[in-house]
Amino acid sequence: AQRVTQPEKLLSVFKGAPVELKCNYSYSGSPELFWYVQYSRQRLQLLLRHISRESIKGFTADLNKGETSFHLKKPFAQEEDSAMYYCALRPSFGNEKLTFGTGTRLTIIP
Amino acid sequence: GAGVSQTPSNKVTEKGKYVELRCDPISGHTALYWYRQSLGQGPEFLIYFQGTGAADDSGLPNDRFFAVRPEGSVSTLKIQRTERGDSAVYLCASSLDGAAKNIQYFGAGTRLSVL
Repeated sequence: AQRVTQPEKLLSVFKGAPVELKCNYSYSGSPELFWYVQYSRQRLQLLLRHISRESIKGFTADLNKGETSFHLKKPFAQEEDSAMYYCALRPSFGNEKLTFGTGTRLTIIP
Repeated sequence: GAGVSQTPSNKVTEKGKYVELRCDPISGHTALYWYRQSLGQGPEFLIYFQGTGAADDSGLPNDRFFAVRPEGSVSTLKIQRTERGDSAVYLCASSLDGAAKNIQYFGAGTRLSVL
């Protein structure tokens, strides 16, 4: 069975400082990894996925198969980045359900 | 365009009662998913529909939980003999189809409170 671990429940970072939200996973095959974000009073939305290899709102994430990690990074935090972040995994092709981590609440200190 | 719509947004019920939660997916999306999010946890998969049929119901916790999607659009999650442990936010998501390339779009959820 697959598992996603987000070790930090809470993370506070000063505005302008770098941000790193950790995500580790366990899965024996080749998963697809996602970061979802939930801003205050908004619904859960996709931030980025590893197969797209793009930067969204200044965030990037690289899949490291050796370390089974998919950490989310941003070089300079902004106040609007304050939100709940969930890392999610979808197993090999043909299995559509997502397995989520427990989430990290990121607070940007002005 | 309209996103995934879930009704009601909040539902309070008493232990032992029956409840129905409704999900209206994005128009044209054939894949529909139900997740449950308990306090302090991430969403947990319940069931996945491709069209009218349940392609994967492995996440339903027990036989008190049942979901239908009779016309391949709106889905209803039904919970019989509710228990206090069923209290959670129930999320619905839809995607264009079940293909790996398609993104799941989430509704705002129904917050169920069982007293």
